[in-house]
Amino acid sequence: EDQVTQSPEALRLQEGESSSLNCSYTVSGLRGLFWYRQDPGKGPEFLFTLYSAGEEKEKERLKATLTKKESFLHITAPKPEDSATYLCAVRSWGKLQFGAGTQVVVTP
Amino acid sequence: DGGITQSPKYLFRKEGQNVTLSCEQNLNHDAMYWYRQDPGQGLRLIYYSQIVNDFQKGDIAEGYSVSREKKESFPLTVTSAQKNPTAFYLCASSLGQENTEAFFGQGTRLTVV
Repeated sequence: EDQVTQSPEALRLQEGESSSLNCSYTVSGLRGLFWYRQDPGKGPEFLFTLYSAGEEKEKERLKATLTKKESFLHITAPKPEDSATYLCAVRSWGKLQFGAGTQVVVTP
Repeated sequence: DGGITQSPKYLFRKEGQNVTLSCEQNLNHDAMYWYRQDPGQGLRLIYYSQIVNDFQKGDIAEGYSVSREKKESFPLTVTSAQKNPTAFYLCASSLGQENTEAFFGQGTRLTVV
């Protein structure tokens, strides 16, 4: 059975304190790994797509990487506006399956 | 503006009533999805559709029904058989089934009173 596990569940950072979020997965026939950002009461906002091991994508203070079994979302020198829940999802044979998310709070 | 529109934003339902949530997209996407989100949990797949007039059950389809009569529309009916329907419902669409990201609407919060 396909599984997506995110860790940690919650992360509290000081402004400027870099950290990483983990997404580990077991799927048959990976057709892409996706990162989303979700603000309270809103729909998830697409951030990155990764297709193959070794691939990296960057956007402002965020950088996503992919290995054969996991993906990392690195947040460099975060600001309070980076506070959100970050969701990881994998596509396998039509389904798009999500992890439970990591709630990130960045304090000034 | 291209995007996905869910309506209404908030919905209240009495126990024993069916209710239909609307999802419309003007992105010309083939695939559409319905997810349910409960507090502290991730998104769980209810139904998905790859093409018009075809749809498949997701992980938690019991108590829900869908239709896909038009490419742009994928309404979700929450029936009285759904034991715990209070949740945040999210609709998404993607260009295809393979290797493409999905884009989400802003969600409908359903409360059973």
